[in-house]
Amino acid sequence: EAGVTQSPTHLIKTRGQQATLRCSPISGHTSVYWYQQALGLGLQFLLWYDEGEERNRGNFPPRFSGRQFPNYSSELNVNALELEDSALYLCASRGREGSDTQYFGPGTRLTVL
Amino acid sequence: DAKTTQPPSMDCAEGRAANLPCNHSTISGNEYVYWYRQIHSQGPQYIIHGLKNNETNEMASLIITEDRKSSTLILPHATLRDTAVYYCIVRLYNFNKFYFGSGTKLNVKP
Repeated sequence: EAGVTQSPTHLIKTRGQQATLRCSPISGHTSVYWYQQALGLGLQFLLWYDEGEERNRGNFPPRFSGRQFPNYSSELNVNALELEDSALYLCASRGREGSDTQYFGPGTRLTVL
Repeated sequence: DAKTTQPPSMDCAEGRAANLPCNHSTISGNEYVYWYRQIHSQGPQYIIHGLKNNETNEMASLIITEDRKSSTLILPHATLRDTAVYYCIVRLYNFNKFYFGSGTKLNVKP
């Protein structure tokens, strides 16, 4: 069974640009979570999507947004990039109600120059 | 608000048991304790979770105190590949808030 996949592996942008990160959940999983992990820091919860709807977001500005598609894959968009947005962005998926564990992808390393 | 407290680092000799403590003194009755680990710059890997009872799987054992204010993750025979940052997390079952604290960096030494 394929795990959570993320693309691209690495992304380099400059300040002010927009970044788009993609995540494909484990087959059958309907929930997708996004986390940011800045260098040397723990994971910070960003967004949670379930059944195509945004269910909750962490303490991040509105320029962090995303969506979930009918096939449950998800996109994270970061507008007006700032240097501090440089981080590892992790996606996790979870199965339907009754299945509680989140499974993580390998992450996308975003570097803002 | 991570809701958990873990030592920043621990050492363990290869082949010995690694016991990683976690304090979650404000845990409420319907919150689960989860453990994940993250090997350098990879996605976190699920290890185990529990509510009240001790749990064991092929990777580890989880011991939760009777008052549920603390827990210990036990890796019975640590190997060099177990070197990672271990995160203890408390969360409501089937709920979205999932706080990762700073974790414990476990160094397994030959």
